Amino acid sequence: QKEVEQNSGPLSVPEGAIASLNCTYSDRVSQSFFWYRQYSGKSPELIMSIYSNGDKEDGRFTAQLNKASQYVSLLIRDSQPSDSATYLCAVNYGGSQGNLIFGKGTKLSVKP
Amino acid sequence: KAGVTQTPRYLIKTRGQQVTLSCSPISGHRSVSWYQQTPGQGLQFLFEYFSETQRNKGNFPGRFSGRQFSNSRSEMNVSTLELGDSALYLCASSLSGGPSGNTIYFGEGSWLTVV
Repeated sequence: QKEVEQNSGPLSVPEGAIASLNCTYSDRVSQSFFWYRQYSGKSPELIMSIYSNGDKEDGRFTAQLNKASQYVSLLIRDSQPSDSATYLCAVNYGGSQGNLIFGKGTKLSVKP
Repeated sequence: KAGVTQTPRYLIKTRGQQVTLSCSPISGHRSVSWYQQTPGQGLQFLFEYFSETQRNKGNFPGRFSGRQFSNSRSEMNVSTLELGDSALYLCASSLSGGPSGNTIYFGEGSWLTVV
């Protein structure tokens, strides 16, 4: 059973702080990793994708991948109240990218 | 560029009925996937279509089915609705699928309530 695990939270950080979101996955053959942001009542929106070990930065967001530890994380620097949402980790275990396994999400709350 | 369009956005059905949901992918996208999202189970993969063929299937009963047309538009059908089928059904499209390099875009979803 392929699984993606996330801490459900809620994770609460003050405005301007760094929010750290973590995700572990069960299958070593995983190839692609994604972070989606979902606001309440809305559909998921892709924030970051990462395919190789190391860090990938995009603006205030940094995704980190460690395939040996089967661990992927998302750092949000200078957190803003508008970042308050549920963050979903998704893993593609091979085959088409349409077959993503999602974690249940971590709810982030950024307090002004 | 128009996004992924799903219809209807909201619907209420009675137990035992069937429902058909529609999805129009982004122009040029040939891969369409369907997901079910519930508070308890989160986002779960239903199936994926590419060039009118089902390429992947999740662990859902046969009451859930889908199809894709030659213009890449897709429909999913749920027969003999159960209360537990109440969920947000999300359609996602990408250029061609594949393990990397294709961004998946989600539609706004269809909210199904079964009473």
